[in-house]
Amino acid sequence: KAGVTQTPRYLIKTRGQQVTLSCSPISGHRSVSWYQQTPGQGLQFLFEYFSETQRNKGNFPGRFSGRQFSNSRSEMNVSTLELGDSALYLCASSYHRPGLNYGYTFGSGTRLTVV
Amino acid sequence: DAKTTQPTSMDCAEGRAANLPCNHSTISGNEYVYWYRQIHSQGPQYIIHGLKNNETNEMASLIITEDRKSSTLILPHATLRDTAVYYCIVRVGGSQGNLIFGKGTKLSVKP
Repeated sequence: KAGVTQTPRYLIKTRGQQVTLSCSPISGHRSVSWYQQTPGQGLQFLFEYFSETQRNKGNFPGRFSGRQFSNSRSEMNVSTLELGDSALYLCASSYHRPGLNYGYTFGSGTRLTVV
Repeated sequence: DAKTTQPTSMDCAEGRAANLPCNHSTISGNEYVYWYRQIHSQGPQYIIHGLKNNETNEMASLIITEDRKSSTLILPHATLRDTAVYYCIVRVGGSQGNLIFGKGTKLSVKP
């Protein structure tokens, strides 16, 4: 059974550009969450999608956005990149809808470097 | 903010049990305790979760005190591959999904 797949694994972008990251959840999983991990702030929640609808959102500026497709695949977009956006971006999926007490399966992440 | 307190780091000898403590003194009655771990350069891995009863699965055991203000994750026979950062997370039952990670405990398993 394939795990959570995130593409690309590594990415280098220039300040001011925009970037789109992709996440394919485990087959059959309908809930997808995104997290940002930096050395200073640790793991921080970005947003969660279920059935193509954003169900929950963290405390990030509007430059960070996401969406989920009918096949549960999800993308997140960061516009007008800043140096501080350099981070490991992690995607997690779950079969269950948000709010139920089950574990999430994380992907290996996309390492974004903004120069 | 994270609602848990964990030691910054711990060492454990290979083959011995690793006992990782977590304090969550402000936990509410409907909040669950979750444990995840993150091995370097990988995404976090779900280990176990519980509400008030002790739990065990193929990876670990979770012991929650009767007053629920603290818990201990037990890896019964630690191996070198268990070296990771372990996160203890308190999450409201029925909440909308997001996990609030703290700093975690860096567990080093030594031969």
